[in-house]
Amino acid sequence: ILNVEQSPQSLHVQEGDSTNFTCSFPSSNFYALHWYRWETAKSPEALFVMTLNGDEKKKGRISATLNTKEGYSYLYIKGSQPEDSATYLCASLSGGYNKLIFGAGTRLAVHP
Amino acid sequence: EAQVTQNPRYLITVTGKKLTVTCSQNMNHEYMSWYRQDPGLGLRQIYYSMNVEVTDKGDVPEGYKVSRKEKRNFPLILESPSPNQTSLYFCASSPTAAYEQYFGPGTRLTVT
Repeated sequence: ILNVEQSPQSLHVQEGDSTNFTCSFPSSNFYALHWYRWETAKSPEALFVMTLNGDEKKKGRISATLNTKEGYSYLYIKGSQPEDSATYLCASLSGGYNKLIFGAGTRLAVHP
Repeated sequence: EAQVTQNPRYLITVTGKKLTVTCSQNMNHEYMSWYRQDPGLGLRQIYYSMNVEVTDKGDVPEGYKVSRKEKRNFPLILESPSPNQTSLYFCASSPTAAYEQYFGPGTRLTVT
């Protein structure tokens, strides 16, 4: 079973702060890395799907980078807002498999 | 509207009483999967299906069954539920596992 690790487990920041968190995944046989945003009482929603080493994706104030050789991805939030408060999940997909392995998530709380 | 639906949304049942949670998608997706979410553990894949009549075990398949007789439906069956299956369940679909997953609203199951 692949092991996908996310750090930190939780994070508290002030409104306006920029923040980032990490997703680590096994680099062998890598195929794709997913990021999801999960608000309380809602369903996870996709942010990014990344496949290429060095890939960078951006959606508004949120961006992500991918390093497939060393097995990590960073998610950045610039100028955090209270509405960014959510759990951020990453999931790894290995080539030859159809199983998505999720990390336990990073819970972000942005305080006004 | 493109969506994944699950029913029921909430269910309280007793040990051993067979139950089915339905999942349906209207996006003509080939890939569908079931996840359970438990505190501190993130999303764990129960079963997935790559197409009609093609299903495979995820990481935590014990105690569950699935079927995929039609492309749009992917029911989750608990033949003899036990208290350790108390959890929040999500169904998801996508064109393939490499694409972003579209999640249903979730089913909160309590087994007493």
